[in-house]
Amino acid sequence: KNEVEQSPQNLTAQEGEFITINCSYSVGISALHWLQQHPGGGIVSLFMLSSGKKKHGRLIATINIQEKHSSLHITASHPRDSAVYICAVKSDKLIFGTGTRLQVFP
Amino acid sequence: DSGVTQTPKHLITATGQRVTLRCSPRSGDLSVYWYQQSLDQGLQFLIQYYNGEERAKGNILERFSAQQFPDLHSELNLSSLELGDSALYFCASSVGGGLAGGSYNEQFFGPGTRLTVL
Repeated sequence: KNEVEQSPQNLTAQEGEFITINCSYSVGISALHWLQQHPGGGIVSLFMLSSGKKKHGRLIATINIQEKHSSLHITASHPRDSAVYICAVKSDKLIFGTGTRLQVFP
Repeated sequence: DSGVTQTPKHLITATGQRVTLRCSPRSGDLSVYWYQQSLDQGLQFLIQYYNGEERAKGNILERFSAQQFPDLHSELNLSSLELGDSALYFCASSVGGGLAGGSYNEQFFGPGTRLTVL
């Protein structure tokens, strides 16, 4: 079993829908990082969390340390949100999830 | 634009060859990280340098080596290339010491170098 699991692996949505991407991990961590990888390959840092919740525009990230779980929410999704979303956790090393591929259709 | 630059963007070479990938961190960042992303393995951490010294090591093969120079740019050297080394190679940078111990600093990624080994 992977130390970092993301769900779902693939997600299709209509423009305007509320999106939730989940990240569960099995190790003790000091931080969790959400990344967005565009179809062209570029990687953008979205959030770094060690507790609680962060919001930036239409994106919200939450983390529950006790339950070893984080969620990334996208409100009012748009086709430009189509990307692969990756969570990474820092334990004694940096471990990446395999990503969630999101496609938002007009 | 993250402020991290990588060259070249694309590299095509043959098995057995040696290549060098270059990364310049964001202004003010002291740490540089190297990652490999292949189709079947996702992102894998290779190595981190902080202010010229190796700080953390991941799944880096012995055929691969890296260094960080006094001006803080970094180079990743890949030798005796194999077909399986074909991947996207990303560099990232952060202000602080990053992965040592329990610390973690937000990392900013470069655009990547796509390496194809034929």
